[in-house]
Amino acid sequence: DSGVTQTPKHLITATGQRVTLRCSPRSGDLSVYWYQQSLDQGLQFLIQYYNGEERAKGNILERFSAQQFPDLHSELNLSSLELGDSALYFCASSVGPELGSAPGELFFGEGSRLTVL
Amino acid sequence: AQRVTQPEKLLSVFKGAPVELKCNYSYSGSPELFWYVQYSRQRLQLLLRHISRESIKGFTADLNKGETSFHLKKPFAQEEDSAMYYCALKSSAGGTSYGKLTFGQGTILTVHP
Repeated sequence: DSGVTQTPKHLITATGQRVTLRCSPRSGDLSVYWYQQSLDQGLQFLIQYYNGEERAKGNILERFSAQQFPDLHSELNLSSLELGDSALYFCASSVGPELGSAPGELFFGEGSRLTVL
Repeated sequence: AQRVTQPEKLLSVFKGAPVELKCNYSYSGSPELFWYVQYSRQRLQLLLRHISRESIKGFTADLNKGETSFHLKKPFAQEEDSAMYYCALKSSAGGTSYGKLTFGQGTILTVHP
């Protein structure tokens, strides 16, 4: 499958802990986006990387950080976890930095479901 | 600030009935709007985009700038249309928000047999 892959699919941890979510974009895509999906907030944009550089920033907490590596995979680090961080975290990718070649088309992974107890 | 509002979290219709999923937006620039869909056990995927003026799986959506709306419509709903639907707005302004998609909260559509 050359689509967007995310690991782990499920993760259960305790408050105060730190976790890392991993995303591999589609083959050929240079942009990676992270979104948080929760019942009350819907899909919230967190951050975008393009070719290793931070490109756009959304509602990302200071306790969260991300990076994109030379092989274009990305990691989202969540620290000092709180109960409210429980959510589905989606990674998406696109070819260019501005959704230009296929305007608006993001290709999504299946998500990583984080449960904080 | 840009915002997308989907006022209905849940929408239920019977098979064969018309369906309209509402989406309203606020944005100071020229909007680009999209509908994304997530079927059960599948990934979130693009359904249609307003600039293409296309009909996908019988769904259409017209951008109404006067009402700042982009409602998704289908004249005869099918059971396989049951899914989560997200309306999204693409930012074309400058700065750190350029190019990102802002999603609404989503509407779960259930089509009953």
